[in-house]
Amino acid sequence: DTGVSQNPRHKITKRGQNVTFRCDPISEHNRLYWYRQTLGQGPEFLTYFQNEAQLEKSRLLSDRFSAERPKGSFSTLEIQRTEQGDSAMYLCASSKTGAGTFGSGTRLTVV
Amino acid sequence: GNSVTQMEGPVTLSEEAFLTINCTYTATGYPSLFWYVQYPGEGLQLLLKATKADDKGSNKGFEATYRKETTSFHLEKGSVQVSDSAVYFCAATEGSLRSSNDYKLSFGAGTTVTVRA
Repeated sequence: DTGVSQNPRHKITKRGQNVTFRCDPISEHNRLYWYRQTLGQGPEFLTYFQNEAQLEKSRLLSDRFSAERPKGSFSTLEIQRTEQGDSAMYLCASSKTGAGTFGSGTRLTVV
Repeated sequence: GNSVTQMEGPVTLSEEAFLTINCTYTATGYPSLFWYVQYPGEGLQLLLKATKADDKGSNKGFEATYRKETTSFHLEKGSVQVSDSAVYFCAATEGSLRSSNDYKLSFGAGTTVTVRA
């Protein structure tokens, strides 16, 4: 058990480009959550999965954001046509029961 | 959904001082409450939790009691160390676990604590 793994750790992209982040949860965890954390703020819930089913996506910030978990294991978060306001830390957490275990996050910088 | 308000920082203390970080929540149900800690350069780690009224969570010398009557979950430590320097986040589950059994969390904005030797 190596914890929740997120890749890449850092991503710098030009405005208008698409980016994709990956989260590998703890292997027996069936729930997977995505959060966004901007500077000086706490994490903000975006979406979550139970196994491969996306149970809530209404909190994704816009239709440019999408997430998948095709086989109920790893998940990806994609942001299309990035904007400078998307610059933030994107966090993934997984759980079986109880509070989730967080990964170290992917820091996105849009220039 | 629920919301969480925590004491603004930064907080600077001397070693062995008493630490309190206030946290209040608004909720329609019976949320579970958490404190997470983020050490410099690291990810969020669960520090302690409480799942029902009057529960006390404790870990590493930190304590917090779930107070339903005041909708609070204040974090305390009697004698801080330099190694406690970190950002502390209060969080609450959204909705009631009795109905949803999921752990979507609402977080406070975080309180930066610096402990000086």
